[in-house]
Amino acid sequence: QVQLQQSGPGLVKPSQTLSLTCAISGDSVSSNGAAWNWIRQSPSRGLEWLGRTYYRSKWYNDYAVSVIGRITINPDTSRNQFSLHLNSVIPEDTAVYYCARDPGISVTGAFDYWGQGTLVTVSS
Amino acid sequence: QSALTQPPSASGSPGQSVTISCTGTSSDVGGYNYVSWYQQYPGKAPKLMISEVSKRPSGVPDRFSGSKSGNTASLAVSGLQAEDEADYYCSSYAGNSNFVFGAGTKVTVL
Repeated sequence: QVQLQQSGPGLVKPSQTLSLTCAISGDSVSSNGAAWNWIRQSPSRGLEWLGRTYYRSKWYNDYAVSVIGRITINPDTSRNQFSLHLNSVIPEDTAVYYCARDPGISVTGAFDYWGQGTLVTVSS
Repeated sequence: QSALTQPPSASGSPGQSVTISCTGTSSDVGGYNYVSWYQQYPGKAPKLMISEVSKRPSGVPDRFSGSKSGNTASLAVSGLQAEDEADYYCSSYAGNSNFVFGAGTKVTVL
């Protein structure tokens, strides 16, 4: 059974960096058969895919156009986890952030396991 | 602004059927067979109900089915049960390694 456990602060000041971690059990961040995603949800923006990291003989990252330039997703193979870093945050980045797995060799956008969600508020 | 269009609400009596639409464009829904549907209860993470237009993951009741015609995908729920009352979201691959979601449909069991 795959489990994703999120951790990170729930309050970030404007202009600072939002950082969250997603620890994986029951699968491997280095799996050739999965992609590891970050998705957020807010009343104003709904569900929004942010980006992913995955390993296919080498590491790949894809990011949503809306956050390109501000986002980094990093795998940590030693701890079997992956992280989200979103810099220069603004109040509109306030949302519940989820990590999620997309299984399969071909990434399909079928997110079958999700973290518990972390409410991150951007406020001074 | 969500990229995929869903009706804000849908309802039905227990035992009846309800169908939710998800309309995109030829650049997302119409261009790929990578439409997924999610069920979400308040305060909980979304749960995958349908993948790749019509595939049902293990454990999802066969009362849930998915289909697609052109730029519109649909989720049908037959034999409505009280536990089906939730928010439902569609998503689609949108090319260029991006994914988009709908704004969600609140299903009420009358």
